[in-house]
Amino acid sequence: AQSVTQLDSQVPVFEEAPVELRCNYSSSVSVYLFWYVQYPNQGLQLLLKYLSGSTLVKGINGFEAEFNKSQTSFHLRKPSVHISDTAEYFCAVSPGANNLFFGTGTRLTVIP
Amino acid sequence: EAGVAQSPRYKIIEKRQSVAFWCNPISGHATLYWYQQILGQGPKLLIQFQNNGVVDDSQLPKDRFSAERLKGVDSTLKIQPAKLEDSAVYLCASSPAHNEQFFGPGTRLTVL
Repeated sequence: AQSVTQLDSQVPVFEEAPVELRCNYSSSVSVYLFWYVQYPNQGLQLLLKYLSGSTLVKGINGFEAEFNKSQTSFHLRKPSVHISDTAEYFCAVSPGANNLFFGTGTRLTVIP
Repeated sequence: EAGVAQSPRYKIIEKRQSVAFWCNPISGHATLYWYQQILGQGPKLLIQFQNNGVVDDSQLPKDRFSAERLKGVDSTLKIQPAKLEDSAVYLCASSPAHNEQFFGPGTRLTVL
């Protein structure tokens, strides 16, 4: 079985400051890893994904994430956040070609 | 490229009433998913179609929920009768291949 834990339900951060959103997962098989962003009243948009290869993955809007197999983590980072980054962020795992298992989300609020 | 379309965007009904949601995936995407996202939680898969066949419906409450994907293109999700706990956002996603899912804007259902 797969599960995803996003330890921080809310993360406030000042504009232009760095941010890290934490994600840990558990799985009995190899998984693919994803981060999605959800803006108010919108669907989910893919930020980045890890399928294989380099453990440092770069995504859209200046975000990146690092896959750490030993710690079963896939934390999302951005060196300098903008007001427009205020949104809900979801970490997800996929055991193969099928469905996604999502965490409960982290609400990032960027403070001017 | 047009995205995943869903309608209606909002729906308010009373408990025990019926409701239906419609999804039109991105053209050419063989796989279609319906997710339920309860407030404060991550999306949870209800059903996955591959063309017009069901791949996974293990989380679909079949006593009240039904879904179909006639002709392997658009899909409808129905709830009959609705309960208070069905209040949620219903997200449709489609995928052209393994793992990358594209989400629609969702339908927000409120059951009174």
